[in-house]
Amino acid sequence: ETGVTQTPRHLVMGMTNKKSLKCEQHLGHNAMYWYKQSAKKPLELMFVYNFKEQTENNSVPSRFSPECPNSSHLFLHLHTLQPEDSALYLCASSLQQGAREKLFFGSGTQLSVL
Amino acid sequence: LAKTTQPISMDSYEGQEVNITCSHNNIATNDYITWYQQFPSQGPRFIIQGYKTKVTNEVASLFIPADRKSSTLSLPRVSLSDTAVYYCLVGEANQAGTALIFGKGTTLSVSS
Repeated sequence: ETGVTQTPRHLVMGMTNKKSLKCEQHLGHNAMYWYKQSAKKPLELMFVYNFKEQTENNSVPSRFSPECPNSSHLFLHLHTLQPEDSALYLCASSLQQGAREKLFFGSGTQLSVL
Repeated sequence: LAKTTQPISMDSYEGQEVNITCSHNNIATNDYITWYQQFPSQGPRFIIQGYKTKVTNEVASLFIPADRKSSTLSLPRVSLSDTAVYYCLVGEANQAGTALIFGKGTTLSVSS
């Protein structure tokens, strides 16, 4: 148990659906991250929020829309996805944003787009 | 951020010591070296972090030579449960607006 909880664990959606991934951390951290991990590829950083402000958007398509209402919660809203978006989506948190900060990851949401 | 190079894969047997070396020739003065472990279908887990010389915790040791252009993660007496992907990352301390970028990592396979 890392203190970072992601729901749902598995999600299957059609290309016209709208769904949301949720991440919650109980560690008192101020930075939260979304990473994408496609099969046999490195983790790709998608978004970073530091003290509720988005600080990084790694050229992510607009069909992925993040939301960070407070330091404990992070959402990833999905709409009109493509089959190539199928991947493991990982949420992480750290005390604050910084390359030395220790990241705590959730177990991820395995997304399949049909 | 400094780029890292690791072996793609390594094989070992239970009870052996495993050393995974990471090259980071362009490491900057303020960069720290961090290692993560990832099991299939799970998020990575922090293992160890260091700046120079040697760091040891209950899981592993990290050896960093004086020039800091490489580092070695040492796993003592591995077991089957140590089969995982191991990532080496470098990043600058206290650099605001920076997040760690993961490379391809080293897939360690431990056999009985």
